[in-house]
Amino acid sequence: ELKVEQNPLFLSMQEGKNYTIYCNYSTTSDRLYWYRQDPGKSLESLFVLLSNGAVKQEGRLMASLDTKARLSTLHITAAVHDLSATYFCAGDQGAQKLVFGQGTRLTINP
Amino acid sequence: EAQVTQNPRYLITVTGKKLTVTCSQNMNHEYMSWYRQDPGLGLRQIYYSMNVEVTDKGDVPEGYKVSRKEKRNFPLILESPSPNQTSLYFCASSFLTGTNEQFFGPGTRLTVL
Repeated sequence: ELKVEQNPLFLSMQEGKNYTIYCNYSTTSDRLYWYRQDPGKSLESLFVLLSNGAVKQEGRLMASLDTKARLSTLHITAAVHDLSATYFCAGDQGAQKLVFGQGTRLTINP
Repeated sequence: EAQVTQNPRYLITVTGKKLTVTCSQNMNHEYMSWYRQDPGLGLRQIYYSMNVEVTDKGDVPEGYKVSRKEKRNFPLILESPSPNQTSLYFCASSFLTGTNEQFFGPGTRLTVL
């Protein structure tokens, strides 16, 4: 059974700094997803990582996947307040079943 | 606009009063799923459907029913709601091929008194 763990669970950082959120998963996952959730809102798809070594970037966010280490990272560059949200990673257990991490609540302070 | 819609968005009800939360998608997705989100527990899958008339249990199906009579609709039914079903519910859909990226509805906040 696939288990997905994120760390840290809470992250408070200053604008302009860089940081990384880590997503470890326990068994083989064909693909890895990153979602963003604003308070009281739905989940917005950020990245879909389909293979080992995949790297995707959108603005100040960059996601990567290392299937050998069973690790995905979400890197934030020069953080801005608008990136404050909760970020989830999710692995695919098969048959479309997504298993989510606990989420990382990111707060970016001016 | 491509989207997943849910109704109602907010619902307060009492124990035992049957309710249905509707979910509809206009993207011709084969796959649809229901999740509940609870503080400290993340998102957990309740039921999913790979196509019309095909449904299966997720991780936390007890107390819930679903049906998939049409491709676009996937209602969640609580026959006798209890307070432990107070939660935030999300419907999601995706294609069965390609990236399988799931698109989520806006959520339904349910309170059972």
